[in-house]
Amino acid sequence: SQQGEEDPQALSIQEGENATMNCSYKTSINNLQWYRQNSGRGLVHLILIRSNEREKHSGRLRVTLDTSKKSSSLLITASRAADTASYFCATDHNNAGNMLTFGGGTRLMVKP
Amino acid sequence: ETGVTQSPTHLIKTRGQQVTLRCSSQSGHNTVSWYQQALGQGPQFIFQYYREEENGRGNFPPRFSGLQFPNYSSELNVNALELDDSALYLCASRMGLSTSYEQYFGPGTRLTVT
Repeated sequence: SQQGEEDPQALSIQEGENATMNCSYKTSINNLQWYRQNSGRGLVHLILIRSNEREKHSGRLRVTLDTSKKSSSLLITASRAADTASYFCATDHNNAGNMLTFGGGTRLMVKP
Repeated sequence: ETGVTQSPTHLIKTRGQQVTLRCSSQSGHNTVSWYQQALGQGPQFIFQYYREEENGRGNFPPRFSGLQFPNYSSELNVNALELDDSALYLCASRMGLSTSYEQYFGPGTRLTVT
């Protein structure tokens, strides 16, 4: 079963706009990770945030984590057409044995 | 490019057949995880190997099995193929068992079962 659920399932924006994707999960975590996937290819690790962290930045990416609400968000600022991809959150749940559970993903389209 | 390679790229099999997929992990990585990704869905964890031993398994039947070799490359075997096994199979490697280590994915093997 997929514990992480992304919202929205699909997002279409214009180049230059910001894109925000959300992830909710059900049980406590050790860390939460965001990945990107282009057209059914392999996933690329974007950023990891630990359960004791609230915010992390990497270039145009900003990730927040709210463990009280069991949710995370990924913000991509000043989006580009090349950001068009599917974005997944993955969670490492306590007592789950170092396994990652992926959500269903948000499909982002950035129009030039 | 991540340094994780998978073969073959595409594969077509008939229901009931058996298939072996291969993954070459990135140099220095001792942990390999396998995922099944159906069209339009997120990856589902199948199992992972750490230093040649299975270390964690998702909700997949025993006809999904695997191996990890001394060089940390890995195989995924699926027996008695079913139509629902059609999916993209991804392997990922990292340098330790903890998920705090960055995980690197291969490009995947697209399996079609007819």
